[in-house]
Amino acid sequence: GAGVSQSPSNKVTEKGKDVELRCDPISGHTALYWYRQSLGQGLEFLIYFQGNSAPDKSGLPSDRFSAERTGGSVSTLTIQRTQQEDSAVYLCASSSSNRGWTEAFFGQGTRLTVV
Amino acid sequence: SQELEQSPQSLIVQEGKNLTINCTSSKTLYGLYWYKQKYGEGLIFLMMLQKGGEEKSHEKITAKLDEKKQQSSLHITASQPSHAGIYLCSSDDSGAGSYQLTFGKGTKLSVIP
Repeated sequence: GAGVSQSPSNKVTEKGKDVELRCDPISGHTALYWYRQSLGQGLEFLIYFQGNSAPDKSGLPSDRFSAERTGGSVSTLTIQRTQQEDSAVYLCASSSSNRGWTEAFFGQGTRLTVV
Repeated sequence: SQELEQSPQSLIVQEGKNLTINCTSSKTLYGLYWYKQKYGEGLIFLMMLQKGGEEKSHEKITAKLDEKKQQSSLHITASQPSHAGIYLCSSDDSGAGSYQLTFGKGTKLSVIP
């Protein structure tokens, strides 16, 4: 597709369950970011992938969170044993460069609700 | 780490009025992005400012970057209901060797017809 695609767009899950969020970046973009936006909060950096380099996981809030990027393209963010505080909109973005002033394109986000 | 503070946090204006949103950085600004977010939608890129003193315009939206003040401003002229949404400023630290994007908390704009 022409833009960054995320799925599902909405997810309601029970506390304690695992969830997987998917991001399809723009073809050819080497950089991929995951962010989350909680109610009333700004965007919070979670993880960054750049090409084949080791990802920067410094933003992941706990070891229940993990992310993979297969073949330098599709990325999956996994949250294990979900908690209510995990409820947020999870945004994925991709860009064509790791530095310099290139525009980051964002997906629509996945709205996660943990009940 | 860099922090971006936006002001005001929310703004309600009458259609046709002008308005300004500010974004102030705690560290040297090497450049800045402005995004707009509408409910249920992803972030939409508005403008990118790279150099001190740079000013860019798109339709009725103008953004400026003041390196000395470590600040950027977004100005909307003759606001319309379509301008309503949350405006976010963002900067990356690539000038400082990092690549994390930092975001302000956003300014919620409501435009009353």
